[in-house]
Amino acid sequence: DAGVIQSPRHEVTEMGQEVTLRCKPISGHNSLFWYRQTMMRGLELLIYFNNNVPIDDSGMPEDRFSAKMPNASFSTLKIQPSEPRDSAVYFCASKQTSGNTEAFFGQGTRLTVV
Amino acid sequence: AQSVTQLGSHVSVSEGALVLLRCNYSSSVPPYLFWYVQYPNQGLQLLLKYTSAATLVKGINGFEAEFKKSETSFHLTKPSAHMSDAAEYFCAVSPPWGSYIPTFGRGTSLIVHP
Repeated sequence: DAGVIQSPRHEVTEMGQEVTLRCKPISGHNSLFWYRQTMMRGLELLIYFNNNVPIDDSGMPEDRFSAKMPNASFSTLKIQPSEPRDSAVYFCASKQTSGNTEAFFGQGTRLTVV
Repeated sequence: AQSVTQLGSHVSVSEGALVLLRCNYSSSVPPYLFWYVQYPNQGLQLLLKYTSAATLVKGINGFEAEFKKSETSFHLTKPSAHMSDAAEYFCAVSPPWGSYIPTFGRGTSLIVHP
């Protein structure tokens, strides 16, 4: 398996624009997570899907953020409109739904909003 | 509720010296515990995990960690540091049932001096 695949790796956009980040989890993994990493706040969980259903979105910062998982092999995180404070590295991770299994992370998308 | 505390945002060692990265957890039930490593511009990858079998866990690249229930700790060690060990290290805790959502610590940056 190629692992968790995220695209794009880098995104530079202007404030107010819509940004869409994409993730393909590992086949057979039924849990998917979106994290945001910044120097100030570390690694924050944004949203958790299980079997394509959003289970916990309490970490989504505000209504400008939305996430979908239309099927088991694809998820998106959308920011509309984007703001400079959204600049961060966004990671997607997937795992099997079992406590003793580890999460596998993608390479991340570095988002810069100018 | 569960949480993880990593003592020391930065740890500096000389090449060949012992590496000790500290992790303490808080959980109402015995959790599963993980250590991940993040190299620059990469996602997190698993070093090792504790899943209620042996309390001393060996991982990749010569790292190991010991689960101490009485101290609620899961410290990461390596007898002799290499320059290639310089990276960010994250401790994570996951409940043994329910959502299995992993909670990550703030991370410790390991600096290795020649």
